[in-house]
Amino acid sequence: DTAVSQTPKYLVTQMGNDKSIKCEQNLGHDTMYWYKQDSKKFLKIMFSYNNKELIINETVPNRFSPKSPDKAHLNLHINSLELGDSAVYFCASSQDGGSTDTQYFGPGTRLTVL
Amino acid sequence: GENVEQHPSTLSVQEGDSAVIKCTYSDSASNYFPWYKQELGKRPQLIIDIRSNVGEKKDQRIAVTLNKTAKHFSLHITETQPEDSAVYFCAASQVKLVFGAGTILRVKS
Repeated sequence: DTAVSQTPKYLVTQMGNDKSIKCEQNLGHDTMYWYKQDSKKFLKIMFSYNNKELIINETVPNRFSPKSPDKAHLNLHINSLELGDSAVYFCASSQDGGSTDTQYFGPGTRLTVL
Repeated sequence: GENVEQHPSTLSVQEGDSAVIKCTYSDSASNYFPWYKQELGKRPQLIIDIRSNVGEKKDQRIAVTLNKTAKHFSLHITETQPEDSAVYFCAASQVKLVFGAGTILRVKS
């Protein structure tokens, strides 16, 4: 009965590679998010999608490209990985993206760039 | 944009004591204030939230207070237990969730 799931849980790769992280939610929510948690535990939003449409796009390098094939899935593709991309990436979802919506987080993907 | 400051960054309490974590926010339009608990290696999990039309909310040992005039809100945990040890994040939302930097809570038994 996993609500928000992500794959993979761990990702270790070399600088310059391209990688993807997948996220799925079975809560029937319309809105999904990507957050980055750095080594100091600071959580910051990267993107949000509402029903497959991009709503929030923070100042994130354009090497990061989210893709939402349907409202239950939001994937994150990262090109030309850099050392500074090492972090934990969390996917989240909420009912309709309203400002008072509760957000539910996935288990996270720990990305290590060597 | 919204800025959320959270204090203290670390907090150690004896089991059974109370713990208080405080946050301030900058955007008076923010109207939703959740608190998340994150255990080591796990996902952030919502423990309590408050909306701007309410001044206080309580759920068993956890309570949150909101002062909209002063733009600050606080988390209160009473009768702390070792399993309360974790990182706690406050957040404020107007268009998007903006998180505080987190408080590491250690409950010593």
